[in-house]
Amino acid sequence: KAGVTQTPRYLIKTRGQQVTLSCSPISGHRSVSWYQQTPGQGLQFLFEYFSETQRNKGNFPGRFSGRQFSNSRSEMNVSTLELGDSALYLCASSWTGGPSTEAFFGQGTRLTVV
Amino acid sequence: AQSVTQLGSHVSVSEGALVLLRCNYSSSVPPYLFWYVQYPNQGLQLLLKYTSAATLVKGINGFEAEFKKSETSFHLTKPSAHMSDAAEYFCAVVAGGTSYGKLTFGQGTILTVHP
Repeated sequence: KAGVTQTPRYLIKTRGQQVTLSCSPISGHRSVSWYQQTPGQGLQFLFEYFSETQRNKGNFPGRFSGRQFSNSRSEMNVSTLELGDSALYLCASSWTGGPSTEAFFGQGTRLTVV
Repeated sequence: AQSVTQLGSHVSVSEGALVLLRCNYSSSVPPYLFWYVQYPNQGLQLLLKYTSAATLVKGINGFEAEFKKSETSFHLTKPSAHMSDAAEYFCAVVAGGTSYGKLTFGQGTILTVHP
């Protein structure tokens, strides 16, 4: 069965622009989480969606937002890009998002802000 | 709040040697613990998870980890390293309750395997 698909794989944006990243979860998975990975801060949790509702949120500014559609696909948006937003953005899906359930990760979207 | 500390950002071993990657956790509630592996330019792949069923957990690719509550540790081991084990390894914790979809990761340990 197909894994978690993230598009695009690579993006280059200019400071001040906005960007939208997409994540298609494994079929049947209803929970989608997003993470930011940088060399300095490591892997940091952004937010989690389940059945189109945000259930959990990390400590990121309001420029970072997300949504989930009825087919469980999710998008995250970053507005007014800053150089520090350059990172690998990872999406993970699971059946329920519960604490013991396995999260399956996509290959990520590499965002470079210039 | 929960947190994870991985001791050693880089570990180097010879092929065939024991692999030991250290992880200590802090959690106010019984934790769920995970080890993930990341190869260059890839996402994360689950190696194993502890969910309180057994303290010694066996995972994929010959890895295992032992949950020690008294030491708040969850170290990852493999008896004999292969070249293909070279990657970055992350320990992660999830607290119970309403921590939906939120893994808290350690800073990662890069494993290098020498021939």
